[in-house]
Amino acid sequence: DAGVTQSPTHLIKTRGQQVTLRCSPKSGHDTVSWYQQALGQGPQFIFQYYEEEERQRGNFPDRFSGHQFPNYSSELNVNALLLGDSALYLCASSLSGDLGKLFFGSGTQLSVL
Amino acid sequence: KNQVEQSPQSLIILEGKNCTLQCNYTVSPFSNLRWYKQDTGRGPVSLTIMTFSENTKSNGRYTATLDADTKQSSLHITASQLSDSASYICVVGGLGGGYQKVTFGTGTKLQVIP
Repeated sequence: DAGVTQSPTHLIKTRGQQVTLRCSPKSGHDTVSWYQQALGQGPQFIFQYYEEEERQRGNFPDRFSGHQFPNYSSELNVNALLLGDSALYLCASSLSGDLGKLFFGSGTQLSVL
Repeated sequence: KNQVEQSPQSLIILEGKNCTLQCNYTVSPFSNLRWYKQDTGRGPVSLTIMTFSENTKSNGRYTATLDADTKQSSLHITASQLSDSASYICVVGGLGGGYQKVTFGTGTKLQVIP
């Protein structure tokens, strides 16, 4: 039973570019949440997807957008990258009825130069 | 505002010693509390989860306690090992707007030295 998988594991971009990160949830999970974790900080909630809709959103600008596919996998898109977007991006999956039980992927380390 | 505060921010202990990490929260209404271990550059891995009615939960050398009245939790690590070096994050699940929401603490960075 595969857990949460994220790709790519590492990514280097330059300012102004756009990036797409991908996540496959744990088998049987229908809800995907995305988090940004800066070095030395706790994860910050970006948004959550359920039934292909954005259900909750944290305090992130519109440059951050996402999508969920019918197979529950998800993408995180970031446009017009800033240096401050450099962080570990974590995907977590859960069941809609038990959102407290989050299972995390290993993350994508994004560096913006 | 829902908040989760952890202490200490960082901790250095000798291999084989015990330690206790603290978590205080103001999340309301409360649903559950989970402790995660996060190695540097990796995703968090769940250690324990407790609901309102549970006041202790063990996972090997890790024992978590919960006092829902004082809104405090602790994570006790027994006979520490070098592999315990990591950040430990307290995550509290609450209810809001019809959805369950989670609030993360900023973590305690533990370093176990020989």
